[in-house]
Amino acid sequence: DVKVTQSSRYLVKRTGEKVFLECVQDMDHENMFWYRQDPGLGLRLIYFSYDVKMKEKGDIPEGYSVSREKKERFSLILESASTNQTSMYLCASSSTLSLAGGRYEQFFGPGTRLTVL
Amino acid sequence: AQSVTQLGSHVSVSEGALVLLRCNYSSSVPPYLFWYVQYPNQGLQLLLKYTSAATLVKGINGFEAEFKKSETSFHLTKPSAHMSDAAEYFCAVSGGSARQLTFGSGTQLTVLP
Repeated sequence: DVKVTQSSRYLVKRTGEKVFLECVQDMDHENMFWYRQDPGLGLRLIYFSYDVKMKEKGDIPEGYSVSREKKERFSLILESASTNQTSMYLCASSSTLSLAGGRYEQFFGPGTRLTVL
Repeated sequence: AQSVTQLGSHVSVSEGALVLLRCNYSSSVPPYLFWYVQYPNQGLQLLLKYTSAATLVKGINGFEAEFKKSETSFHLTKPSAHMSDAAEYFCAVSGGSARQLTFGSGTQLTVLP
């Protein structure tokens, strides 16, 4: 089974702190994604990556950066956390191959609920 | 470009009643379609997926969905709701070379005793 893990389930940080959210997948997927989820707004894509050391901006990249040094790991960085970044953060991965159908089916981690005080 | 519309941000049904969650999509290429479920404080879990093999797709927990190209719809159904079905449900579409999924805004399902 595909497994996507996130470093923390719950995280509390202070305004101005640098925050690292880590995501690791164990299925050799090429594609990895970071979303934030807020009530009434659904899932919004922050950044994504199709390969190591590659990144592309999603719909709401402001205030965030990412790092992908290894294929299995995709990190989301909040350079200077602000209260409006309090949210649920979800990581996902997918494969480009359609061996079992459902091409680009995404597999999600359990999420990190971040509170910025 | 793709888009997804989920009609009804909140749906309530009685236990044992039919569940119907609506999803309409827009895609310029043959789509792949997905339904995900999210329980409180958890990530998204795949319920089922349409990959062009069959228009009626069966998923986990007794859910199924029918792909109707003429209506550009992929509605999710379950004949008899259980209390454990209470969750948020997301419809998503991908297609062509796009590696991203486009998600709907979600439908919160409440099951009443």
